[in-house]
This record gives sequence, structure tokens and C-alpha cells, in this order.
Amino acid sequence: QKEVEQDPGPLSVPEGAIVSLNCTYSNSAFQYFMWYRQYSRKGPELLMYTYSSGNKEDGRFTAQVDKSSKYISLFIRDSQPSDSATYLCAMSAPLTGGGNKLTFGTGTQLKVEL
Amino acid sequence: DSGVTQTPKHLITATGQRVTLRCSPRSGDLSVYWYQQSLDQGLQFLIQYYNGEERAKGNILERFSAQQFPDLHSELNLSSLELGDSALYFCASSAQRRTEAFFGQGTRLTVV
Repeated sequence: QKEVEQDPGPLSVPEGAIVSLNCTYSNSAFQYFMWYRQYSRKGPELLMYTYSSGNKEDGRFTAQVDKSSKYISLFIRDSQPSDSATYLCAMSAPLTGGGNKLTFGTGTQLKVEL
Repeated sequence: DSGVTQTPKHLITATGQRVTLRCSPRSGDLSVYWYQQSLDQGLQFLIQYYNGEERAKGNILERFSAQQFPDLHSELNLSSLELGDSALYFCASSAQRRTEAFFGQGTRLTVV
């Protein structure tokens, strides 16, 4: 079983729709949660960063973390064609020796259609 | 622009050869990470350096090695290259005591 599970999609929605992207995880040591957006063949771009359970909002994006269920979500409101990309969840747990590594989901491919 | 610079952008080389990928982190960031992204494996963590010292290691092959220099730039060395090493290689950096990482645009390695 992978530490982080993410539905690969593809997910196709009409412009203006609310998009819900989700990840589940199995490692209870994960404390930090991130969402990245990756356009084709480009570097992942950090969208949201959260530490605790609850919601965090930034413009059209809302990140939600439920540590008790080991479940995180990213909501995109008023989706635009420019939101078409692959969305990756990432998680991190403190490592001994002060190290850090992000464990990524496989990514969900989103297409927002006109 | 994340502020992380990777060179070269593209690299084509033959099996058995050795290549070096270079990364300059964001100004002030002490941590550098290397990730490999292939179509069937997603983003895989290779190694982390913090201020010149190795801090964490992922599933990095013995044929691969990395280092971080005093000016904080990092190099990833890949040797005895195989066809399966063809992938996107990303460098990322983060600030001291921060976990969120900022990624460069990657180096696309093609082994023929």
C-alpha cells in the first residue's frame, strides 16, 4: 500500500465549477500538508501549505485537512481553463537528524473546459 | 518563477555515460532536495542536503550521488546510465526550519 493515495483522474469539469481534489494517507506521522500544481513538463508550483487540521483559504483555493480520517482536500472555486493542470498532494513528517522529505501523491489531472 | 535554477534544461546521452545536473537554490535557502519524476513512478524523493551536509536519503541508486557546495548550489551526478534513468529530475529548496519546498523547472534526461 502506498503511503499517499490520490485518484489520477482525469477529471473534466466545465468552467466555473467547484473542483474537489482529494488524497488519503496512511502514515500518522505526517504533520505538514501541501498542494502543488504542475503544468505539463514544468516544475511543481506550491499552491497551499497547511500544518494543522481544519481549513485554509487563499483566493479561489481552499485546503482542508482531517488528520483523524487521514484525508486532505483541495477545493477550487470558479474554476478556469488556466487551472487545467496536474494537482499533486504532498506530505511531510519530521525525520531524525533534522531531515525532511515530501511524499507525493501520484497527481490528479484536471481539465477545465470552456 | 520559484527562484530555483536548474541546468541544463535538456540532456540527451548514451547508456553507460555519466552526467551532472546542477541546481541553484532560492536565495537564502539552506536545504536542497532532488526528486526524480518518471511517467510510471510519479515524484520520487532522492536526497536532501542542508547547508552542505546530507540530511535525508530516499531510494537513490548507488550509481547516483549528490553534493552541496559552500555556496549552497548542488549537483546530482548520475553514472553508468541506463535507459530506465530517463526522467525529469527536479531540484527543490526550502528555508531553514520550513518544510514547504520550491521547485525548479527540472532537467529532462533522455538516455538513448
